[in-house]
Amino acid sequence: GAGVSQSPSNKVTEKGKDVELRCDPISGHTALYWYRQRLGQGLEFLIYFQGNSAPDKSGLPSDRFSAERTGESVSTLTIQRTQQEDSAVYLCASSGSGLAPYNEQFFGPGTRLTVL
Amino acid sequence: ELKVEQNPLFLSMQEGKNYTIYCNYSTTSDRLYWYRQDPGKSLESLFVLLSNGAVKQEGRLMASLDTKARLSTLHITAAVHDLSATYFCAVDATYSGAGSYQLTFGKGTKLSVIP
Repeated sequence: GAGVSQSPSNKVTEKGKDVELRCDPISGHTALYWYRQRLGQGLEFLIYFQGNSAPDKSGLPSDRFSAERTGESVSTLTIQRTQQEDSAVYLCASSGSGLAPYNEQFFGPGTRLTVL
Repeated sequence: ELKVEQNPLFLSMQEGKNYTIYCNYSTTSDRLYWYRQDPGKSLESLFVLLSNGAVKQEGRLMASLDTKARLSTLHITAAVHDLSATYFCAVDATYSGAGSYQLTFGKGTKLSVIP
Protein backbone atom coordinates (compact mmCIF):
# COMPACT_ATOMS: atom_id res chain seq x y z
CA GLY A 1 0.00 0.00 0.00
CA ALA A 2 0.92 3.66 -0.05
CA GLY A 3 3.60 4.85 2.29
CA VAL A 4 3.89 8.09 4.21
CA SER A 5 3.70 11.09 1.93
CA GLN A 6 4.80 14.64 2.58
CA SER A 7 4.36 17.92 0.76
CA PRO A 8 5.93 20.01 -0.48
CA SER A 9 9.14 18.12 -1.14
CA ASN A 10 11.08 21.38 -1.18
CA LYS A 11 10.24 24.77 0.24
CA VAL A 12 12.29 27.93 -0.04
CA THR A 13 11.10 30.86 2.01
CA GLU A 14 12.30 34.20 3.23
CA LYS A 15 13.20 34.84 6.82
CA GLY A 16 10.16 35.95 8.79
CA LYS A 17 7.58 34.17 6.65
CA ASP A 18 5.32 31.39 7.91
CA VAL A 19 5.40 27.93 6.35
CA GLU A 20 3.12 24.89 6.52
CA LEU A 21 4.33 21.38 5.94
CA ARG A 22 1.95 18.49 5.35
CA CYS A 23 2.11 14.80 6.19
CA ASP A 24 -0.21 12.00 5.12
CA PRO A 25 0.48 8.90 7.25
CA ILE A 26 -0.02 5.32 6.24
CA SER A 27 -3.72 4.53 6.31
CA GLY A 28 -4.70 2.95 9.62
CA HIS A 29 -1.62 4.13 11.50
CA THR A 30 -2.68 5.78 14.72
CA ALA A 31 0.66 7.29 15.71
CA LEU A 32 2.33 10.13 13.84
CA TYR A 33 5.68 11.81 14.50
CA TRP A 34 7.53 14.84 13.23
CA TYR A 35 11.32 14.96 13.26
CA ARG A 36 13.85 17.51 12.09
CA GLN A 37 17.14 16.58 10.44
CA ARG A 38 19.76 19.28 10.09
CA LEU A 39 22.46 18.84 7.50
CA GLY A 40 24.74 15.96 8.40
CA GLN A 41 22.95 15.27 11.67
CA GLY A 42 20.66 12.67 13.13
CA LEU A 43 16.98 13.19 13.64
CA GLU A 44 15.56 15.39 16.38
CA PHE A 45 12.11 14.55 17.71
CA LEU A 46 9.60 17.38 17.48
CA ILE A 47 6.09 16.17 18.25
CA TYR A 48 4.03 12.97 18.55
CA PHE A 49 0.32 12.33 18.01
CA GLN A 50 -1.45 9.19 19.17
CA GLY A 51 -5.11 8.87 18.36
CA ASN A 52 -7.20 11.39 20.24
CA SER A 53 -4.72 11.79 23.08
CA ALA A 54 -3.06 15.11 23.78
CA PRO A 55 0.05 15.37 21.61
CA ASP A 56 3.53 15.15 23.09
CA LYS A 57 5.04 18.51 22.16
CA SER A 58 8.17 18.13 24.24
CA GLY A 59 10.51 18.33 21.25
CA LEU A 60 9.24 21.56 19.73
CA PRO A 61 12.19 23.98 19.85
CA SER A 62 10.19 27.19 20.30
CA ASP A 63 6.68 28.57 20.34
CA ARG A 64 7.09 29.41 16.66
CA PHE A 65 6.56 25.72 15.96
CA SER A 66 3.13 24.11 16.15
CA ALA A 67 1.45 21.07 14.68
CA GLU A 68 -2.05 19.78 14.25
CA ARG A 69 -3.53 16.48 13.28
CA THR A 70 -7.04 15.81 12.06
CA GLY A 71 -8.23 12.60 13.71
CA GLU A 72 -5.93 9.83 12.61
CA SER A 73 -5.09 11.31 9.26
CA VAL A 74 -3.31 14.34 7.90
CA SER A 75 -0.97 16.43 10.00
CA THR A 76 0.42 19.89 9.38
CA LEU A 77 3.54 21.36 10.94
CA THR A 78 3.56 25.15 11.00
CA ILE A 79 6.62 27.28 11.54
CA GLN A 80 5.92 30.95 12.12
CA ARG A 81 8.35 33.77 11.50
CA THR A 82 10.94 31.40 10.07
CA GLN A 83 14.59 31.85 10.93
CA GLN A 84 17.64 30.66 9.05
CA GLU A 85 18.33 28.07 11.73
CA ASP A 86 15.01 26.44 10.84
CA SER A 87 16.55 25.27 7.56
CA ALA A 88 16.48 21.48 7.68
CA VAL A 89 14.69 18.44 6.35
CA TYR A 90 11.45 17.83 8.20
CA LEU A 91 10.53 14.17 8.31
CA CYS A 92 7.18 12.68 9.21
CA ALA A 93 6.75 9.10 10.37
CA SER A 94 3.81 6.95 11.30
CA SER A 95 3.42 3.70 13.17
CA GLY A 96 0.63 1.27 13.86
CA SER A 97 0.08 2.19 17.45
CA GLY A 98 2.02 3.62 20.33
CA LEU A 99 0.66 0.74 22.37
CA ALA A 100 2.04 -1.96 20.11
CA PRO A 101 4.77 -4.28 21.40
CA TYR A 102 7.17 -2.29 19.39
CA ASN A 103 7.11 0.91 17.51
CA GLU A 104 8.57 0.55 14.06
CA GLN A 105 8.18 3.92 12.44
CA PHE A 106 7.83 4.36 8.70
CA PHE A 107 9.19 7.58 7.34
CA GLY A 108 8.04 9.86 4.58
CA PRO A 109 10.39 11.38 2.01
CA GLY A 110 10.71 14.62 3.96
CA THR A 111 10.32 18.31 3.18
CA ARG A 112 13.55 20.21 2.64
CA LEU A 113 13.06 23.71 4.05
CA THR A 114 15.47 26.47 3.15
CA VAL A 115 15.12 29.83 4.86
CA LEU A 116 16.94 32.61 3.05
CA GLU B 1 18.08 12.48 28.98
CA LEU B 2 18.64 9.53 26.68
CA LYS B 3 21.82 9.78 24.64
CA VAL B 4 22.64 7.60 21.67
CA GLU B 5 26.18 7.54 20.35
CA GLN B 6 27.34 5.91 17.18
CA ASN B 7 30.85 5.29 16.07
CA PRO B 8 32.46 5.73 13.79
CA LEU B 9 30.65 8.68 12.25
CA PHE B 10 32.50 8.21 8.96
CA LEU B 11 33.68 4.93 7.54
CA SER B 12 35.45 4.34 4.28
CA MET B 13 36.09 0.74 3.44
CA GLN B 14 37.08 -1.36 0.48
CA GLU B 15 34.78 -3.83 -1.15
CA GLY B 16 35.08 -7.27 0.32
CA LYS B 17 36.12 -6.12 3.77
CA ASN B 18 34.28 -6.56 7.06
CA TYR B 19 33.52 -3.87 9.59
CA THR B 20 31.30 -3.13 12.59
CA ILE B 21 29.36 0.00 13.49
CA TYR B 22 28.68 0.52 17.18
CA CYS B 23 25.69 2.12 18.86
CA ASN B 24 25.82 2.89 22.59
CA TYR B 25 22.91 4.30 24.51
CA SER B 26 22.64 5.72 27.98
CA THR B 27 19.51 4.27 29.56
CA THR B 28 17.54 1.08 29.85
CA SER B 29 15.76 0.08 26.70
CA ASP B 30 15.23 -3.15 24.85
CA ARG B 31 13.90 -1.65 21.68
CA LEU B 32 16.47 -0.64 19.14
CA TYR B 33 16.12 0.11 15.46
CA TRP B 34 18.54 0.40 12.59
CA TYR B 35 17.74 2.56 9.59
CA ARG B 36 19.48 3.25 6.31
CA GLN B 37 19.39 6.60 4.55
CA ASP B 38 20.60 7.18 1.00
CA PRO B 39 21.60 10.73 -0.01
CA GLY B 40 18.54 12.92 -0.46
CA LYS B 41 16.23 10.10 0.54
CA SER B 42 14.21 9.21 3.58
CA LEU B 43 14.93 6.51 6.13
CA GLU B 44 14.47 2.85 5.35
CA SER B 45 13.94 0.43 8.21
CA LEU B 46 16.57 -2.31 8.36
CA PHE B 47 16.22 -4.09 11.68
CA VAL B 48 14.08 -4.07 14.79
CA LEU B 49 15.76 -5.56 17.88
CA LEU B 50 13.44 -6.21 20.78
CA SER B 51 15.30 -8.21 23.40
CA ASN B 52 18.67 -8.85 24.93
CA GLY B 53 20.72 -11.09 22.71
CA ALA B 54 18.57 -10.44 19.65
CA VAL B 55 20.39 -10.99 16.38
CA LYS B 56 19.00 -10.31 12.95
CA GLN B 57 20.60 -10.74 9.55
CA GLU B 58 19.71 -9.53 6.11
CA GLY B 59 22.15 -10.14 3.32
CA ARG B 60 25.54 -8.73 4.25
CA LEU B 61 24.24 -6.90 7.31
CA MET B 62 23.82 -8.36 10.78
CA ALA B 63 22.56 -6.47 13.82
CA SER B 64 22.74 -7.50 17.45
CA LEU B 65 21.62 -6.10 20.77
CA ASP B 66 23.16 -6.38 24.24
CA THR B 67 20.82 -4.58 26.59
CA LYS B 68 23.04 -5.12 29.61
CA ALA B 69 25.93 -3.36 27.91
CA ARG B 70 23.49 -0.91 26.27
CA LEU B 71 25.16 -1.67 22.98
CA SER B 72 24.03 -2.61 19.53
CA THR B 73 26.27 -3.48 16.63
CA LEU B 74 25.73 -3.49 12.90
CA HIS B 75 28.21 -5.81 11.24
CA ILE B 76 28.98 -5.58 7.56
CA THR B 77 30.34 -8.66 5.86
CA ALA B 78 32.20 -8.52 2.54
CA ALA B 79 31.05 -4.98 1.79
CA VAL B 80 29.81 -4.03 -1.66
CA HIS B 81 29.41 -0.57 -3.16
CA ASP B 82 25.61 -0.74 -2.90
CA LEU B 83 25.90 -0.62 0.86
CA SER B 84 27.19 2.95 0.72
CA ALA B 85 24.72 5.02 2.72
CA THR B 86 24.27 6.56 6.16
CA TYR B 87 23.19 4.15 8.88
CA PHE B 88 21.32 5.31 11.96
CA CYS B 89 20.52 3.52 15.14
CA ALA B 90 17.55 4.68 17.17
CA VAL B 91 16.41 3.82 20.65
CA ASP B 92 12.86 3.87 21.95
CA ALA B 93 12.89 6.39 24.77
CA THR B 94 9.73 5.10 26.38
CA TYR B 95 11.50 3.19 29.11
CA SER B 96 13.42 6.27 30.11
CA GLY B 97 10.18 7.97 31.02
CA ALA B 98 9.93 10.16 27.99
CA GLY B 99 6.24 9.46 27.95
CA SER B 100 5.83 8.89 24.28
CA TYR B 101 7.18 6.56 21.72
CA GLN B 102 9.63 8.96 20.20
CA LEU B 103 12.84 7.50 18.91
CA THR B 104 16.17 9.01 19.90
CA PHE B 105 18.61 8.75 17.03
CA GLY B 106 22.35 8.57 16.86
CA LYS B 107 24.14 11.00 14.57
CA GLY B 108 24.56 8.35 11.92
CA THR B 109 27.50 6.56 10.35
CA LYS B 110 28.27 7.57 6.81
CA LEU B 111 29.59 4.50 5.05
CA SER B 112 31.47 4.70 1.77
CA VAL B 113 32.41 1.42 0.13
CA ILE B 114 35.18 1.87 -2.39
CA PRO B 115 35.29 -0.49 -5.37
